[in-house]
Amino acid sequence: AQTVTQSQPEMSVQEAETVTLSCTYDTSESNYYLFWYKQPPSRQMILVIRQEAYKQQNATENRFSVNFQKAAKSFSLKISDSQLGDTAMYFCAFMTSGGGADGLTFGKGTHLIIQP
Amino acid sequence: DSGVTQTPKHLITATGQRVTLRCSPRSGDLSVYWYQQSLDQGLQFLIHYYNGEERAKGNILERFSAQQFPDLHSELNLSSLELGDSALYFCASSETGGNYGYTFGSGTRLTVV
Repeated sequence: AQTVTQSQPEMSVQEAETVTLSCTYDTSESNYYLFWYKQPPSRQMILVIRQEAYKQQNATENRFSVNFQKAAKSFSLKISDSQLGDTAMYFCAFMTSGGGADGLTFGKGTHLIIQP
Repeated sequence: DSGVTQTPKHLITATGQRVTLRCSPRSGDLSVYWYQQSLDQGLQFLIHYYNGEERAKGNILERFSAQQFPDLHSELNLSSLELGDSALYFCASSETGGNYGYTFGSGTRLTVV
């Protein structure tokens, strides 16, 4: 079974700073997908960014980018120019490439607080 | 609005009771997933349905059951409720494989008293 570990329960940074959230995972699969989801106080789960394991290029979505290190099984999320609206729980998630029948496996989450 | 509709948003019920949570997937999505989110267990995968058929089961208790109907909406039935079943229950949907991620509903907050 796959496991996803987020070692930072909570982080706090000042507005406009850059912050990196860590995620490691354990799998014996060679092809899979990784995701970061954001859960703001509204509790809605919002997809932030997605990475395909067979692609070496790190995914980027505007201010959000990832550092994907396949050999190290690491998948960190970098948020540049952080904004107050980035305050949320952030979940790292893993899915096998076999159609995702077993669903996404989530980490425990990191509570990110952006201070004004 | 994500396109995934969950009802009700909040539910308060007593121990031993039975409740039904409803989910309508995003238009065109054939897969529906149910997740339970609690403080101690985090986000736990419960069950996956694809086009009316069960595809995978996760950490779903025997007291819980689900189904997906021909119009693709899904219901999660929780029976003999216990205090520990209090949680946020999410429904998510995806196109066939979910490789592009899931679209989540806003959840149903269940409180068992």
